[in-house]
Amino acid sequence: GAVVSQHPSRVICKSGTSVKIECRSLDFQATTMFWYRQFPKQSLMLMATSNEGSKATYEQGVEKDKFLINHASLTLSTLTVTSAHPEDSSFYICSARSPSGTGGSYNSPLHFGNGTRLTVT
Amino acid sequence: DAKTTQPPSMDCAEGRAANLPCNHSTISGNEYVYWYRQIHSQGPQYIIHGLKNNETNEMASLIITEDRKSSTLILPHATLRDTAVYYCTGRGNTGKLIFGQGTTLQVKP
Repeated sequence: GAVVSQHPSRVICKSGTSVKIECRSLDFQATTMFWYRQFPKQSLMLMATSNEGSKATYEQGVEKDKFLINHASLTLSTLTVTSAHPEDSSFYICSARSPSGTGGSYNSPLHFGNGTRLTVT
Repeated sequence: DAKTTQPPSMDCAEGRAANLPCNHSTISGNEYVYWYRQIHSQGPQYIIHGLKNNETNEMASLIITEDRKSSTLILPHATLRDTAVYYCTGRGNTGKLIFGQGTTLQVKP
């Protein structure tokens, strides 16, 4: 259980275009999802918290107009990188909290998708 | 949210136990400790989490010190497939997981 699916796994786009990445919780409902970015040989950096039915909460330094997040249902969150540039090339990973676990639902573990490798040329 | 400190790298012989330490001296009283690992070009994989009692599951054991300022992840019989970057992290009232630099574990034959 607790499977998070991301699509696409890889995408190459031209500078100036927009790219949409989907994150789905396959066997559970997720009111909250998290989006991370990871550059080569670095750790994961939290970009934003996606809340179903409301606006996303962005971490300091992350441009909300560039990284559009939509969480329209309890099983789907999308991240759109608008007007992508080469410096946006990165590994984007989403996660969602599984509904149960040790310590109750609040402390149940986050499960991650397999990431999307974005290359902007 | 707790700041965590881990050694950047460790080696372990195949079949032996791998003990990965983590310092989280700033962890708050209600903050769980989580361990994840990441194999190259994949999303992080959940391993185990705990609050103050030691925990064990099919993947690993988690030993948390009584003062909760540090913990150790134990892989009882490491295999080559356990080679990965291991992250320990706390998750406080914000619900967020903030990742540090992790430990690169290299399991050698």
